[in-house]
Amino acid sequence: GAVVSQHPSRVICKSGTSVKIECRSLDFQATTMFWYRQFPKKSLMLMATSNEGSKATYEQGVEKDKFLINHASLTLSTLTVTSAHPEDSSFYICSAISGRAPNNEQFFGPGTRLTVL
Amino acid sequence: GENVEQHPSTLSVQEGDSAVIKCTYSDSASNYFPWYKQELGKRPQLIIDIRSNVGEKKDQRIAVTLNKTAKHFSLHITETQPEDSAVYFCAASIGDSGYALNFGKGTSLLVTP
Repeated sequence: GAVVSQHPSRVICKSGTSVKIECRSLDFQATTMFWYRQFPKKSLMLMATSNEGSKATYEQGVEKDKFLINHASLTLSTLTVTSAHPEDSSFYICSAISGRAPNNEQFFGPGTRLTVL
Repeated sequence: GENVEQHPSTLSVQEGDSAVIKCTYSDSASNYFPWYKQELGKRPQLIIDIRSNVGEKKDQRIAVTLNKTAKHFSLHITETQPEDSAVYFCAASIGDSGYALNFGKGTSLLVTP
């Protein structure tokens, strides 16, 4: 149990376009999901906390108008990278908390590799 | 935000030896400290975690110790095996919510046969 999926796994887009990434909890309801950005051989940088039915909480330095987060249901959160630029190229990974798991364990999705040309 | 420092960044050990990874944190309100293992091209997986009311926790070959006064915690892997090779991340909860996490920069562990 506690499986998290992401779609797409890989996306290449032109500079100036917007890209939407979906994060789904497949077998549990996730009231809280997190979005991270991971650079090659680097750590996971928390971008925002997504709560179902409310506005996301963004970390310092993360532009909320550029990285739009929508947590429309208990199983789906989306991250939209608006007007993408090459510096937005990165590995985006989400996680979700299952109320069934002890200690609020975060279950990670497989990640989405974004390349902006 | 608050920082989590992790050392070393790379670690190479021979099969059967022990490996120790150390982390320090700065947020005195942090009360949850998980460790994640990320194999190449795969998602991070929780391997062990500890709460601030516990000083040590062990699960087979893996143990974690926490010194809340000094704000540091460590991962110990004994009798290492080649399949332990991966990147290991420590994390500390942001505040006492137990939800959002700050991650260390990771330790790339290589276990050679």
